[in-house]
Amino acid sequence: NAGVTQTPKFQVLKTGQSMTLQCAQDMNHEYMSWYRQDPGMGLRLIHYSVGAGITDQGEVPNGYNVSRSTTEDFPLRLLSAAPSQTSVYFCASREQSMNTEAFFGQGTRLTVV
Amino acid sequence: QQQVKQSPQSLIVQKGGISIINCAYENTAFDYFPWYQQFPGKGPALLIAIRPDVSEKKEGRFTISFNKSAKQFSLHIMDSQPGDSATYFCAAGSGGYQKVTFGIGTKLQVIP
Repeated sequence: NAGVTQTPKFQVLKTGQSMTLQCAQDMNHEYMSWYRQDPGMGLRLIHYSVGAGITDQGEVPNGYNVSRSTTEDFPLRLLSAAPSQTSVYFCASREQSMNTEAFFGQGTRLTVV
Repeated sequence: QQQVKQSPQSLIVQKGGISIINCAYENTAFDYFPWYQQFPGKGPALLIAIRPDVSEKKEGRFTISFNKSAKQFSLHIMDSQPGDSATYFCAAGSGGYQKVTFGIGTKLQVIP
């Protein structure tokens, strides 16, 4: 039982490059979400999903795309990376019955130069 | 615009002392108030949570106090230990999906 697994752990991108941050959970959780964590700003919700095929925007969605084709996977795509997207990204999952984020991955530290 | 205001940003407490972190909110639609603990290089971990119909919740050395009229809630860590040194986030949730809004975090250092 691995919980929430994020890959890669570290990534350096050049401005304008694209990449996908991977997130997978093995707990059959309906809800999954992506956050970014920046110093002095806490965690901010980027996108979330309440089930396969259903996604919605969070607080800071610009520059990011998501899709949810399976219950297990929720990848986050950066189409054209910008220095402002330098951050630590966390994926989270929970059961539908839970009122808050229950399980977080270990994070992906992304630097855009 | 911070929907959940957290203070202090950093805190140093002697071993055995009480650590107190405070949070305030404006949105009365918030109906769930969790706290998270995060160690360096790790994701946040859910620590304890409270609903607004309860004024206090205790789990081991961790206690949440909630003041609905003042729209404030706080985390108390009793008998603080060096292993409690971490960043703590308060948060608030609302809505059917329960979107979670986080405070900016408090870096706690417990010194021997």
